[in-house]
Order: sequence, then C-alpha cells, then structure tokens
Amino acid sequence: KAGVTQTPRYLIKTRGQQVTLSCSPISGHRSVSWYQQTPGQGLQFLFEYFSETQRNKGNFPGRFSGRQFSNSRSEMNVSTLELGDSALYLCASSQRLGTGSDTQYFGPGTRLTVL
Amino acid sequence: QQPVQSPQAVILREGEDAVINCSSSKALYSVHWYRQKHGEAPVFLMILLKGGEQKGHEKISASFNEKKQQSSLYLTASQLSYSGTYFCGTSAGNQFYFGTGTSLTVIP
Repeated sequence: KAGVTQTPRYLIKTRGQQVTLSCSPISGHRSVSWYQQTPGQGLQFLFEYFSETQRNKGNFPGRFSGRQFSNSRSEMNVSTLELGDSALYLCASSQRLGTGSDTQYFGPGTRLTVL
Repeated sequence: QQPVQSPQAVILREGEDAVINCSSSKALYSVHWYRQKHGEAPVFLMILLKGGEQKGHEKISASFNEKKQQSSLYLTASQLSYSGTYFCGTSAGNQFYFGTGTSLTVIP
C-alpha cells in the first residue's frame, strides 16, 4: 500500500497570504489528522477529519481550517499568514475515528516558511 | 496538558539500554509512542491501551501505569538505528497531545 502523501513538500509565502496544503491518506483510511511542528512548541494537534466532517479540534485560531473530501483526501488552509505559522505541517491517517485508539501513519510533511 | 517526557536527551553506546518516561496530568486511556528521525515524519512504535492491550514493535517494550498516569518505553541492546527523537502521545477530550520529546543518540 502506498503511504500518506502530502503536497507540496516545501512552500514559501509572505505575511498576509493564504496557503492550502493537501494530504492523501493510506487507501482505506478514513481519518485524517493535522499537526503543526515547530522547535518551540513541538508537535501540536490541529484537527481531525472523519467521513468529511471535522470531529476534533485543537487550540488554534480560526485562520486554520480544513476539509475532507469523499475519497478521504484532506486539505488544510491557513489564511492571513503570520511569521509564527512557519512550521512543518504533518498529516496522519488512521482507519478509525479517534486518534487515541488507533495507529497513526504520518506523511512526510509540508515545510511552510512565512517571510 | 502536554505530557512531560524525561530525560530530555540521552546518549548511549551501542548495546546499552535506555528508558524513556512519559507523565501526564490527565487520566490516560491510551499511550502512543513514536520515533522521529531528523528531517523525517514520526513513525509509529507502539500503542498501549487501558486494560493492558498492547500493540506494537517487537524489539521495543513499554509499560503503562494508569493510576500514576505514566508510561515508560524500554529500549534494550540499542542499535545505531534507534537514534532519533521519541515522542509519547495521549488523547484527552477531543484532542491528541504529543509529549515534549526525548532526543536519543546511539554512538558506536
């Protein structure tokens, strides 16, 4: 089976712009979670999507949003970018809803740099 | 609510053992362990579920003390390939929290 894929792998944006990141889960996985990783804050949970609905959400401002399509592919959008949004954005897929009880398989991540 | 890991960093020689601890201020229903190598995505190692069920890796073991809200990861006879940053992860409410991370370096 192919693993989790994320596009693009690298992205450079300027403050105030918006960005959309894409994640394709492992075939058959219906849950997609998004994480932000920075040296200062570590790995932080953004949100989880299952069956095209956001099921769980972390403590991030409304500028961070996402969606999931019927084929389980997910996109994450960040509007009005700030310097502090520079990070590695990771998505993870799992078979079942609920990140606590199921193995998560991570994609390679998208490295976002905001100038 | 982020789990706290200890130690923050450890250096081992090949063949030595290591223990990484993870403590949570919230009740634990499950604990995940992941390893992340520099520049790569986290890779699943093990999940421990409340009630004792454990799923994971053959050469790495872990314990889960629900009462103390702690988990420990045991790495025995370490190999160079064990180097990386280890994260524990727990779920609380509707969120998933990764721990503070432990950097492990294995040297020849």
